[in-house]
Amino acid sequence: GESVGLHLPTLSVQEGDNSIINCAYSNSASDYFIWYKQESGKGPQFIIDIRSNMDKRQGQRVTVLLNKTVKHLSLQIAATQPGDSAVYFCAENTGSARQLTFGSGTQLTVLP
Amino acid sequence: GAGVSQSPSNKVTEKGKDVELRCDPISGHTALYWYRQRLGQGLEFLIYFQGNSAPDKSGLPSDRFSAERTGESVSTLTIQRTQQEDSAVYLCASSLYASVNTEAFFGQGTRLTVV
Repeated sequence: GESVGLHLPTLSVQEGDNSIINCAYSNSASDYFIWYKQESGKGPQFIIDIRSNMDKRQGQRVTVLLNKTVKHLSLQIAATQPGDSAVYFCAENTGSARQLTFGSGTQLTVLP
Repeated sequence: GAGVSQSPSNKVTEKGKDVELRCDPISGHTALYWYRQRLGQGLEFLIYFQGNSAPDKSGLPSDRFSAERTGESVSTLTIQRTQQEDSAVYLCASSLYASVNTEAFFGQGTRLTVV
């Protein structure tokens, strides 16, 4: 079946550097994508979303890029901080019931 | 409440026993989801409730799993005759309504360990 997957299971960056977390999706009918952040022992928290009629959306220190041609989604975090250490999931909205399909996640570790 | 509340936060049970997990969604949220998260893995969709419509049970892994929701309030996920492979964190989420551009808010989950 179709699924959302991530290119890298782990990512380590130096504090202050920019982070880029990638996600590939395969359901061309998906029209809404969300990035979630999950800190240890907590439930996922919404970071930013994007609709399929957009290529880019910016938030506070985060930017999501959507490339529909290659079905690729990325999350960019500017000036990464220790508090950004977490697992990041991309999710797509699929099906008539609008349930979210999640990828396996990327563990981001910020090095001092 | 201020957020999605799940109980218990941790549950250890013996293989073969039944367990019941509870989710209190954010007041007024019509949509409620249950997900399972195995260690080091992503979120696996289990079941979805939207208002008074029939739930989408397409993600339930076996007939040992069932869930109920009373109106637009509390939901319970029941696992009968638990097996070791049921060990996971069970996450509940709610959203205002199920449509595009609707953020889902997650609880902290129930960590289930079957021994």
